[in-house]
Amino acid sequence: DAGITQSPRHKVTETGTPVTLRCHQTENHRYMYWYRQDPGHGLRLIHYSYGVKDTDKGEVSDGYSVSRSKTEDFLLTLESATSSQTSVYFCAISETSFANEQFFGPGTRLTVL
Amino acid sequence: LAKTTQPISMDSYEGQEVNITCSHNNIATNDYITWYQQFPSQGPRFIIQGYKTKVTNEVASLFIPADRKSSTLSLPRVSLSDTAVYYCLVGDFPSNTGKLIFGQGTTLQVKP
Repeated sequence: DAGITQSPRHKVTETGTPVTLRCHQTENHRYMYWYRQDPGHGLRLIHYSYGVKDTDKGEVSDGYSVSRSKTEDFLLTLESATSSQTSVYFCAISETSFANEQFFGPGTRLTVL
Repeated sequence: LAKTTQPISMDSYEGQEVNITCSHNNIATNDYITWYQQFPSQGPRFIIQGYKTKVTNEVASLFIPADRKSSTLSLPRVSLSDTAVYYCLVGDFPSNTGKLIFGQGTTLQVKP
């Protein structure tokens, strides 16, 4: 299995608080992604990174920001969490591009009360 | 972005061959077709990728007709452990001018 870890794995927080999710890889892959998964919506891309300090928006980026200061770490921040951001968040990596095989992390279940 | 359409759900029985068809009418010349599998409480896992004709690996086969407007994932002799959600995606490779859209996928239920 590809070396991808996500932390925390579970988090419960309150509306209005900031939350940061971390994705860490040991594969030295260039591309990293954050997805959210909700019932009835499948997987939706939030943000992605194509290199250190190179990021771009995905399909559902409002309310989220990301940072990538090192190849191995990709952080997703909810500046002020809302109940609509309750979801399962998956990090993924790929070697060269979107269409290249993506390897997914174990997911983070976030509940915003 | 090329949009894909696939059945929401399918049922099968152990030992049968399962074919899941995906429609992608506006696929672009540079797009590849990729299938992922997702088990409950896990992230998706890459199954197979192809551009045209037929691709086979140890897990599945992918059939792509000449016009590339659809593709069929074939799972031979499924077992209960193949119960999962299967996603069809099309994406620009290798120039990467587009993003992949996962959609809702096809939920395959394999029965004993």
